[in-house]
Amino acid sequence: DTAVSQTPKYLVTQMGNDKSIKCEQNLGHDTMYWYKQDSKKFLKIMFSYNNKELIINETVPNRFSPKSPDKAHLNLHINSLELGDSAVYFCASSQVRGGTDTQYFGPGTRLTVL
Amino acid sequence: AQSVTQLGSHVSVSEGALVLLRCNYSSSVPPYLFWYVQYPNQGLQLLLKYTTGATLVKGINGFEAEFKKSETSFHLTKPSAHMSDAAEYFCAVTPNTDKLIFGTGTRLQVFP
Repeated sequence: DTAVSQTPKYLVTQMGNDKSIKCEQNLGHDTMYWYKQDSKKFLKIMFSYNNKELIINETVPNRFSPKSPDKAHLNLHINSLELGDSAVYFCASSQVRGGTDTQYFGPGTRLTVL
Repeated sequence: AQSVTQLGSHVSVSEGALVLLRCNYSSSVPPYLFWYVQYPNQGLQLLLKYTTGATLVKGINGFEAEFKKSETSFHLTKPSAHMSDAAEYFCAVTPNTDKLIFGTGTRLQVFP
């Protein structure tokens, strides 16, 4: 009964490949997020969706494309992977949009680009 | 622009000792403040948050934090550290927008 789940947990791939990370939440939340955590543990938001609508897009290269087929899912597709894309990617969700609401994080996907 | 500064990327304490993790923020509007904890190889989990009202906020696992507007601080404390508290701790601010702005994190080590 995992609240926020991500697949895969680990992803190792070559430069130039295209890959996707999937996220699902079973909390009934309206808002979902993608964060990137770099090798120094710094966390930065990438995207946020509310009811399948993109509400935050934080100067992320357009090689990154989020897709929300429904409120419970937010997937991240990455084209032409680069070495600098190596990081841990976290999905999160909150009941509503807005700064006061608690965000629930998935376990993360560790992406390694060789 | 809003930002969060966590002083000390590493903090080490002995089991049973006081834990103090520092967080200062800058915000042009009254902020909402959070502390999240990340255990090894896991996602983040909310420890506590301040939105409005009482400035001393109690969270899970015996942690608490006090919002001090005059000092623009939101330090996290716990009277007595346990080995299980060893983790990465993140302070975050959200100034009435949808996004969390995180600090750079503080790694807490607890020695027996």
